[in-house]
Amino acid sequence: DSGVTQTPKHLITATGQRVTLRCSPRSGDLSVYWYQQSLDQGLQFLIQYYNGEERAKGNILERFSAQQFPDLHSELNLSSLELGDSALYFCASSVAAGDTYSPLHFGNGTRLTVT
Amino acid sequence: GENVEQHPSTLSVQEGDSAVIKCTYSDSASNYFPWYKQELGKRPQLIIDIRSNVGEKKDQRIAVTLNKTAKHFSLHITETQPEDSAVYFCAASDGNKLVFGAGTILRVKS
Repeated sequence: DSGVTQTPKHLITATGQRVTLRCSPRSGDLSVYWYQQSLDQGLQFLIQYYNGEERAKGNILERFSAQQFPDLHSELNLSSLELGDSALYFCASSVAAGDTYSPLHFGNGTRLTVT
Repeated sequence: GENVEQHPSTLSVQEGDSAVIKCTYSDSASNYFPWYKQELGKRPQLIIDIRSNVGEKKDQRIAVTLNKTAKHFSLHITETQPEDSAVYFCAASDGNKLVFGAGTILRVKS
């Protein structure tokens, strides 16, 4: 168990809908990262937060948004869903951010299926 | 930004043989290089990492080497076992994030 908790485990929804994925980082970790993994694809970086502030942005669509709350949990909001958004969404956390790199610890992911 | 290329995409070895996976990166400023193992349907798990001030690191049957001049790093698994079968991802730091390679499917045949 990595200590990173993601809910829900599975999500099935229709095109055009909006969903929220939730992540609680490991105790003591201040950074939260979101990655998307499509079928047979690698891990695509979406966005990173450190202690409530956005620190880095990847190829995140405008239909997607995220935030990190004062208790350090994070939510990834996906709206106007399309079939191509079906993927495994991973949250990861680490102690630090920036140049002093610390290992990422991944949650078990949320599998999103858009029908 | 950083670009990480990983080879091969698929690797099949006989149990007991060694496996080597190679990655190259583009940004000379990258200073942290982890390797993750992902079993089918599970989360990526860190198996070993190396920082740019170190050339080699070992942990039992796993070793990673880094050549900063050539901007490439490799994962070496010796005495492979069936439970080593998984997808392996290399990654390189890029500012505040990790950029991952496309992954290598390792199959260990018994």
